[in-house]
Amino acid sequence: DIQMTQSPSSLSASVGDRVTITCRASQSISTYLNWYQQKPGKAPKLLIYAASSLQSGVPSRFSGSGSGTDFTLTISSLQPEDFATYYCQQSYSTPAVTFGGGTKVEIK
Amino acid sequence: QVTLKESGPALVKPTQTLTLTCTFSGFSLSTSGMRVSWIRQPPGKALEWLARIDWDDDKFYSTSLKTRLTISKDTSKNQVVLTMTNMDPVDTATYYCARIAAGVNWFDPWGQGTLVTVSS
Repeated sequence: DIQMTQSPSSLSASVGDRVTITCRASQSISTYLNWYQQKPGKAPKLLIYAASSLQSGVPSRFSGSGSGTDFTLTISSLQPEDFATYYCQQSYSTPAVTFGGGTKVEIK
Repeated sequence: QVTLKESGPALVKPTQTLTLTCTFSGFSLSTSGMRVSWIRQPPGKALEWLARIDWDDDKFYSTSLKTRLTISKDTSKNQVVLTMTNMDPVDTATYYCARIAAGVNWFDPWGQGTLVTVSS
């Protein structure tokens, strides 16, 4: 299985901060990388697909980059509604996809 | 509008078989390329992919759980069913179903999830 490692596992940030979350794959996955946002008690929601494409309806302050083994999710100016847990997911080895361990973004 | 909703027992006993149903609307699983997966999330932990069924009835399972899982579909009812045998307390989790549209490789949207607790 392809292992996905996210860092940090949690972070504290203030409204307006620029936040960067990293996801590393155990092997090259090209750009087969998706990002999801999950709020407490809710299902994950797709934010970014194919490493850098913004899902329709997702605010433009979210962006993704990377290819191969290293990827980043950036929130350019953190908003109150962005406090959540973020997961990366590789689809290179579909159907046997794998998720990262998650990054919890908390209020400082 | 595409929606999915999971249903099933909230509590099962160890060694029992779990049966979950995903009822969806807004798409047809007979449409070429359409797929539905099951994913679970233990409390406070990360997401784990379990199984997938395709429009052409191809079925795929997590390697680690393959012997315990069965996925099926009823196209006329717009439902996908997942069974998991020999349930154990470590299988306590929220179970989600999610769509994978034709030509893409991401989950969107997801159902709301259903929490299953395994306890005697």
